[in-house]
Amino acid sequence: NAGVTQTPKFRILKIGQSMTLQCTQDMNHNYMYWYRQDPGMGLKLIYYSVGAGITDKGEVPNGYNVSRSTTEDFPLRLELAAPSQTSVYFCASSYGPTGATGNTIYFGEGSWLTVV
Amino acid sequence: EDKVVQSPLSLVVHEGDTVTLNCSYEVTNFRSLLWYKQEKKAPTFLFMLTSSGIEKKSGRLSSILDKKELFSILNITATQTGDSAVYLCASFAGGTSYGKLTFGQGTILTVHP
Repeated sequence: NAGVTQTPKFRILKIGQSMTLQCTQDMNHNYMYWYRQDPGMGLKLIYYSVGAGITDKGEVPNGYNVSRSTTEDFPLRLELAAPSQTSVYFCASSYGPTGATGNTIYFGEGSWLTVV
Repeated sequence: EDKVVQSPLSLVVHEGDTVTLNCSYEVTNFRSLLWYKQEKKAPTFLFMLTSSGIEKKSGRLSSILDKKELFSILNITATQTGDSAVYLCASFAGGTSYGKLTFGQGTILTVHP
């Protein structure tokens, strides 16, 4: 069972570079999310999508963009990378709204990004 | 702003000990409280609690929610080295299209042999 797959697992970026974190899920989930986790902190929501073609900002969207052209894929783009974007990024998906009964959220294994 | 606070931030115990992890929340439109275990990779789901006073149990782990005092605890009995992980709690709030999850900072549990 693949679940939620993220690539790359590790990446070092120079300040000002851009990159895309890929995320795909094979569970036919409608809802997909991107979180970031800084050391000693909980996960913060960057962007989310409730279905193909629909995306919206979470708590910390600045410096990021997303798209959702298919149900399976939800890439996260970092434009003009900054040291403040050094973090671990988790993609996640759920069938319905997270936390609602029966709608468990499934996380990918994380992408460790360092901006130097 | 919704807030979830966990304590302690870190805990070191020996195998066989019992531990209690705490999670308090201040959340508008609260619906449920979730616990996750995070080993080096993705958080994995442990429990979802929606009703006060009803204990959820899975093996040596159990959890309970107090909606009056706005907190939850996660108990682990007879700890094993495999329990070493970060334990995250998160509140689920209604009122949004996606279901808003607010995470605590996590408790780092280290179990020594």
